[in-house]
Amino acid sequence: DGGITQSPKYLFRKEGQNVTLSCEQNLNHDAMYWYRQDPGQGLRLIYYSQIVNDFQKGDIAEGYSVSREKKESFPLTVTSAQKNPTAFYLCATEGQGGQPQHFGDGTRLSIL
Amino acid sequence: EDKVVQSPLSLVVHEGDTVTLNCSYEVTNFRSLLWYKQEKKAPTFLFMLTSSGIEKKSGRLSSILDKKELFSILNITATQTGDSAIYLCAVVGGSNYKLTFGKGTLLTVNP
Repeated sequence: DGGITQSPKYLFRKEGQNVTLSCEQNLNHDAMYWYRQDPGQGLRLIYYSQIVNDFQKGDIAEGYSVSREKKESFPLTVTSAQKNPTAFYLCATEGQGGQPQHFGDGTRLSIL
Repeated sequence: EDKVVQSPLSLVVHEGDTVTLNCSYEVTNFRSLLWYKQEKKAPTFLFMLTSSGIEKKSGRLSSILDKKELFSILNITATQTGDSAIYLCAVVGGSNYKLTFGKGTLLTVNP
């Protein structure tokens, strides 16, 4: 079953805690992206990676970190420095040749 | 700064109505414009537009791009309650050909 798997679906963070959101894909896509979606705000780019072992900051990278050690995986860590982490987080991948991005089902993060 | 503006931000219609959603953009190095439908979870891809004046159609949905006036419209005819969703417009461009999203249009179709 091909696609993008995000886990967990729901996550709660305590004050001062780092949490990691998982994104795994078996589409063999090189590029992977993390977006944050807030009500009425659309999607905003956090980080992206176009190749293994390389990634770039997006528009709202402060308080977040990523790694890209394997082509299939692009985990996002929400650090304690992110003061307003409550949001819906979406992971996307993109194939070569200008293909449209495809999205996972998202992780909803809330503060306890 | 790259910008994508969608209008209206929300819209309520009755089943059977026809709706037109708007998307205007200011993006350097424009490459393509995409429409997505988002119900509860993952946005699902609808259309990718790269050329002006060529209508893309899928069932009751259609879309067209005007690269001179920098906008696109998404039409939905004979709306159904299953069309209720957020419709997202995004443009590929900028220095790294990233996607810039609009805020979305929340469409509610009442029976």
